[in-house]
Amino acid sequence: DVKVTQSSRYLVKRTGEKVFLECVQDMDHENMFWYRQDPGLGLRLIYFSYDVKMKEKGDIPEGYSVSREKKERFSLILESASTNQTSMYLCASGMGDQETQYFGPGTRLLVL
Amino acid sequence: RKEVEQDPGPFNVPEGATVAFNCTYSNSASQSFFWYRQDCRKEPKLLMSVYSSGNEDGRFTAQLNRASQYISLLIRDSKLSDSATYLCVVNPFNRRSGGGADGLTFGKGTHLIIQP
Repeated sequence: DVKVTQSSRYLVKRTGEKVFLECVQDMDHENMFWYRQDPGLGLRLIYFSYDVKMKEKGDIPEGYSVSREKKERFSLILESASTNQTSMYLCASGMGDQETQYFGPGTRLLVL
Repeated sequence: RKEVEQDPGPFNVPEGATVAFNCTYSNSASQSFFWYRQDCRKEPKLLMSVYSSGNEDGRFTAQLNRASQYISLLIRDSKLSDSATYLCVVNPFNRRSGGGADGLTFGKGTHLIIQP
């Protein structure tokens, strides 16, 4: 079974803090993705990566950055957290050919 | 702008009934299509891929109409455990064809409630 893990299920941070969200997959997938999910807006792609040290902007990259130093790990960084970044953050990984994606359990981030 | 449109529901359906959802997509270049299921406060999980010829997995049938750019999901003999949000998902490009790297586009989901 594919396993995607995220470092925290729940996180509370203050405005202006730097926030790191970690994601690890154990299936040697090339592709990894970060989404956020908000009521009424669905899943929106923040950043993705098709290879180590490679990153591509998704639909809403502003206020975020990412790091992929190892194939199995993809980190999302909020450089200076703001209240509008309160959301559910979902990491996913996938195989290169069919783009099926497998999701981690999500991190619920609250920025006060 | 790439879009995937779904009726958000909720669909309230009695147990044992058949229910169908549709989803439309705007990007005619889309090449891969999926249905994901998401339970309350959980992550989305792949339910099934959707193939041009249509495909069936137990009580679930998925169909694709490229000409009209819509995807459907049919659930027969619905169970209480089918209650969830169903996400229509489209991949605009296929990397095997050397296409771009846009990732998947998700619909906002259709909420299904199966009632006893």
